[in-house]
Formats: sequence, C-alpha cells, structure tokens
Amino acid sequence: QKEVEQDPGPLSVPEGAIVSLNCTYSNSAFQYFMWYRQYSRKGPELLMYTYSSGNKEDGRFTAQVDKSSKYISLFIRDSQPSDSATYLCAMSEGGQAGTALIFGKGTTLSVSS
Amino acid sequence: GAVVSQHPSWVICKSGTSVKIECRSLDFQATTMFWYRQFPKQSLMLMATSNEGSKATYEQGVEKDKFLINHASLTLSTLTVTSAHPEDSSFYICSAHRDTSTDTQYFGPGTRLTVL
Repeated sequence: QKEVEQDPGPLSVPEGAIVSLNCTYSNSAFQYFMWYRQYSRKGPELLMYTYSSGNKEDGRFTAQVDKSSKYISLFIRDSQPSDSATYLCAMSEGGQAGTALIFGKGTTLSVSS
Repeated sequence: GAVVSQHPSWVICKSGTSVKIECRSLDFQATTMFWYRQFPKQSLMLMATSNEGSKATYEQGVEKDKFLINHASLTLSTLTVTSAHPEDSSFYICSAHRDTSTDTQYFGPGTRLTVL
C-alpha cells in the first residue's frame, strides 16, 4: 500500500462548479498537510497548508484534514478555467513543515468555460 | 517573497555526459534544500535532502555517486547528474525551506532533462 493515495482523474467540471479533491494516507505520523497546484512543465505552487486536523479557508479554497480517518480534502468554490491544473497533496511527519514531503500522484482538473 | 529559481529550465545532453542543475533561493536563506524527480504523469519523488555545509542525505534507491549534490551556501544547491543515460530523462525540481517553525517548502520551476 502506498503511503499517499490520490485519484489521478482526470476530473472535468463546468465553470462555477464546486470541486472536491481528496487524498488518503496510511502513516499516522503525518502532521503537516499541504495542497500544491502544478501547471504543465512548471514547479508546484503552494496553495494551502494545515497542521493536524481541522479546516482552513483561503478565498475560494478550503482545506480539510481528518486525521482519525487519514483523509484530507481540498474544495474549490466557483471554479474558473484558470484553475485547470494538476493538484498535488503532500504530507510530512514531525513538528516542522520543512521536512521531506510525501506526495500523492496528483489529480488533473479541467474547468471548462 | 520566497522565490526559488532553477537553471537551466531545460537541457538536452548526450548519453555519458554530465549535467549540472542549480537551485537558488532568491530572497531568503535556505538551510535545507530538497531535490525531487518527477516522471510524466507521476508524482514528485524525493531524491535527496541537502543541508548547507554538510553531506546530502539520499533516499533509498538513489545513487549518491550518480547524483552529486552540493549545498555550498545558504542560497545555492547544485545537482549534478553524472554519466547521464536516457533513463535519467525526467523533470528535476528543487525546493527550499525557510527556517521558521511554521514555514514549508517553496519549489523551483523545475528543470527538464532529456538525455539522447
């Protein structure tokens, strides 16, 4: 079993839809949880990061972490064509975010206008 | 702030040659830098962790003699792919950690290596 599982998609939605992206993991030692957005042939861009369980909101993006279920989610409200990209979840152990990150495979999202 | 650059952005080389990739943190000091490799439609896989002034720590299965990492200053780490072969063709991405307890990693734009 891989440490981090993420459905690769692709996921296609119309503009304005609510998008739900998810990852599951097996390592209960993960403490920090991140979502990155990656455009084709570019490096990942940090969107959200949270520590332990709970919700965090930033504009149209909401990140949720449920450590008891080992499940994290990213919600995108009012999706835009510019949101079309690959979304990667990432996690790390320990008390500092600056440790080795374990990534999911990424979900490719396409938002049509 | 927190900008990380990589150079070159893409490189094509012949099999058997060596290629050096630079990773720079432009507006902060990075005590730790990480090197990842990403194959098409795959996720980022950590290759090694690089701390300024000390030897890099390589992940299992990554050949330290083939992928040479030098972290000579707080703003620069280099990855040298020695005796490159076509199977080394990949997207190489670095990240840098700004040393604050609530911070995370910032990624460079990546370097696409093609070995002919």
